[in-house]
Amino acid sequence: DQQVKQNSPSLSVQEGRISILNCDYTNSMFDYFLWYKKYPAEGPTFLISISSIKDKNEDGRFTVFLNKSAKHLSLHIVPSQPGDSAVYFCAASGDSNYQLIWGAGTKLIIKP
Amino acid sequence: EAGVVQSPRYKIIEKKQPVAFWCNPISGHNTLYWYLQNLGQGPELLIRYENEEAVDDSQLPKDRFSAERLKGVDSTLKIQPAELGDSAVYLCASSLTRNEQFFGPGTRLTVL
Repeated sequence: DQQVKQNSPSLSVQEGRISILNCDYTNSMFDYFLWYKKYPAEGPTFLISISSIKDKNEDGRFTVFLNKSAKHLSLHIVPSQPGDSAVYFCAASGDSNYQLIWGAGTKLIIKP
Repeated sequence: EAGVVQSPRYKIIEKKQPVAFWCNPISGHNTLYWYLQNLGQGPELLIRYENEEAVDDSQLPKDRFSAERLKGVDSTLKIQPAELGDSAVYLCASSLTRNEQFFGPGTRLTVL
């Protein structure tokens, strides 16, 4: 039973355009959501997070939107750059628990 | 600030052999995690330590896997004996707060 789902295994976007990565979750107890970025042969690196008390968090080119009623969050990257090509993981935690539940990841490819 | 250090980066062993992975977390991070990551999937938690105490090892296959975190700093994860299905990337992470985990580069294990 996947509690965090990233339904797009891969996404290809033109450089300079907007990249939108999606994530759905099923557990209503999740109250904190994170996005991680992973390059090959490296561990995931933290990108941006959002608490369930918010519906938007922005950090430079990266914005995360949370729709609690739909149990859906998305990561927007504007403008997309070649260095953004990586695998992006969505993760969630809840109930003051340190455990992160991870999605399967979406491979983002930025085309020049 | 030094990141999470893991060694070895790569390990190839034959099935039924033992193997050990080492992790040095970020200085001052009390919480340490060991994850397993299969290709095309997100990380799956094996064990979480708070200082030297294993507070969540519910996902650790205790018949063959063991871990320790002596003195609440470095940690070692061991598999004995290894099976073909254990081939994966083993990630170590540490955190200061609940929210953001910092990952090492991982150890890629291949069991032949």
